[in-house]
Amino acid sequence: ELKVEQNPLFLSMQEGKNYTIYCNYSTTSDRLYWYRQDPGKSLESLFVLLSNGAVKQEGRLMASLDTKARLSTLHITAAVHDLSATYFCAVGEYNDMRFGAGTRLTVKP
Amino acid sequence: DSGVTQTPKHLITATGQRVTLRCSPRSGDLSVYWYQQSLDQGLQFLIQYYNGEERAKGNILERFSAQQFPDLHSELNLSSLELGDSALYFCASSPREPKTQYFGPGTRLLVL
Repeated sequence: ELKVEQNPLFLSMQEGKNYTIYCNYSTTSDRLYWYRQDPGKSLESLFVLLSNGAVKQEGRLMASLDTKARLSTLHITAAVHDLSATYFCAVGEYNDMRFGAGTRLTVKP
Repeated sequence: DSGVTQTPKHLITATGQRVTLRCSPRSGDLSVYWYQQSLDQGLQFLIQYYNGEERAKGNILERFSAQQFPDLHSELNLSSLELGDSALYFCASSPREPKTQYFGPGTRLLVL
């Protein structure tokens, strides 16, 4: 059974600091998705990673995928308050999509 | 705004009742996905339709059913509702795999 584990589940950062969110999954998969969810809002797609070694960057966020290690990371550079949200990774194909529990990120001034 | 619309935004009903949630995908998207988000279960994939046909099933209860109509809008039917069905139900659409999914604003269901 495909399992997806994110850590940490809660993350409190100071503005300007760097940090990494980890997403581990249990079976082979070559597609991984990162989403952002603001409180009370819907999910917004951030990245789609489709191959081993894929790296994508958007602003202060960078995501990477290591399919051999079954690991994806979401790196936050010089955090700002606007990045406060819950971040989900999701793994799998259309017939078995699993989401991690989410990482609730709070960026403090 | 993702372009995916869902109605209603909020729904309050009683145990044992039946409700229908509606989703209109982005223009041109053939795939529709339904998800349930609750505090205890997290975000769970329920079911996917592609161009009117059921494509994949996730953790969808037998009391729940869905369909996609010729105009590509989709409905999720929840019957014999229980307290534990209270959750946020999202619909998402995508043009094709493995493209990203675009999520609608959700329907918040409260079963009393």
